[in-house]
Amino acid sequence: AQSVSQHNHHVILSEAASLELGCNYSYGGTVNLFWYVQYPGQHLQLLLKYFSGDPLVKGIKGFEAEFIKSKFSFNLRKPSVQWSDTAEYFCAVNARGAAGNKLTFGGGTRVLVKP
Amino acid sequence: GAVVSQHPSRVICKSGTSVKIECRSLDFQATTMFWYRQFPKQSLMLMATSNEGSKATYEQGVEKDKFLINHASLTLSTLTVTSAHPEDSSFYICSAELAGAGDTQYFGPGTRLTVL
Repeated sequence: AQSVSQHNHHVILSEAASLELGCNYSYGGTVNLFWYVQYPGQHLQLLLKYFSGDPLVKGIKGFEAEFIKSKFSFNLRKPSVQWSDTAEYFCAVNARGAAGNKLTFGGGTRVLVKP
Repeated sequence: GAVVSQHPSRVICKSGTSVKIECRSLDFQATTMFWYRQFPKQSLMLMATSNEGSKATYEQGVEKDKFLINHASLTLSTLTVTSAHPEDSSFYICSAELAGAGDTQYFGPGTRLTVL
């Protein structure tokens, strides 16, 4: 079975600081990778996704993520955060070919950006 | 595009009653929808996969007789929590899979269920 781990449960940083959130997964086969964001009081929104091709993926709102196959990682980055990036971020993995295309979520990382 | 709605957004009910939650894909058709449960300050846990025109597939540990899922059309799936108890209080979230988009799931806003 696949599993996803996010290393940081909480991150606090100031505006303009750089952000990197770690995500590692365990699955021996081919995967689709996602980062979702949940702003306070809102529903999950897709930030970016990786299926194939260039391992550096650019998403919305200035976020990007890099898939490193050898490390089973898909870390999320943003060079300069804003107060509005305060949210919870979830990494998710979909093992290709698995019955039902199920997403497995990491535990989430709460990010607080101080103005 | 790819908007998913849920209704109701919030429901309070007495113990022993049943509650139905609707999930709709508003601008696309979804042969597959998913139901998740999210406890406070925790991640999403998949409950079941809802397939249009067939029976849902439940995750291990999820009671299929308690959480009834019906996917009657390509834009609607319903989750009925039968004989709800306080321990069923939670945030229920659905998602719909957009075919042709690499199996990307788009999420609804969730339904907060409180069982008294």
